[in-house]
Amino acid sequence: GNSVTQMEGPVTLSEEAFLTINCTYTATGYPSLFWYVQYPGEGLQLLLKATKADDKGSNKGFEATYRKETTSFHLEKGSVQVSDSAVYFCARSNTGNQFYFGTGTSLTVIP
Amino acid sequence: GAVVSQHPSWVICKSGTSVKIECRSLDFQATTMFWYRQFPKQSLMLMATSNEGSKATYEQGVEKDKFLINHASLTLSTLTVTSAHPEDSSFYICSARREGRNEQFFGPGTRLTVL
Repeated sequence: GNSVTQMEGPVTLSEEAFLTINCTYTATGYPSLFWYVQYPGEGLQLLLKATKADDKGSNKGFEATYRKETTSFHLEKGSVQVSDSAVYFCARSNTGNQFYFGTGTSLTVIP
Repeated sequence: GAVVSQHPSWVICKSGTSVKIECRSLDFQATTMFWYRQFPKQSLMLMATSNEGSKATYEQGVEKDKFLINHASLTLSTLTVTSAHPEDSSFYICSARREGRNEQFFGPGTRLTVL
């Protein structure tokens, strides 16, 4: 089938800690992969994306690498800030541009 | 940037009434729009794909007669929840795909509460 599985939260980190949020997918073919972020009270915003194997998406210090061999797209950031507190969604798209999302991981960064 | 708006942002209605939610792409044309539903502390669930000028494509398990979708123009799609019941209470989010780009731009969502 087509699904996205991501690490369950909530995740609480101290400022400047290292962040990893795991995401794996199942899909036929070669989907595009995305990370979206939802800040409190706001809609989803695209954080980064990768469209083919070994691509690395990056934005605002966040990175994720499209790993075909492990069907993964883990999100990482070397040093989180309080302003990174949000819910993060991993997603994949199919050839019809339909998006399928993971369950979301809530991140809280404390000073 | 690409902005997508939704109206209303929240609505409370009585059981048995119908509610219409609008999704507009403000600064680009969207031949394809998508409707999602998000339950508390859960992920977005794709409900349907809305194509301008044609019938919407519904995901398995979504009642097309209950969730009526109309994509009348390149900048507007509407979702009508017919004969709403309390179990329809949820957060409804739309997105619009910009032509030529494999990226969706999301609206801020509409909170529906059915009493």
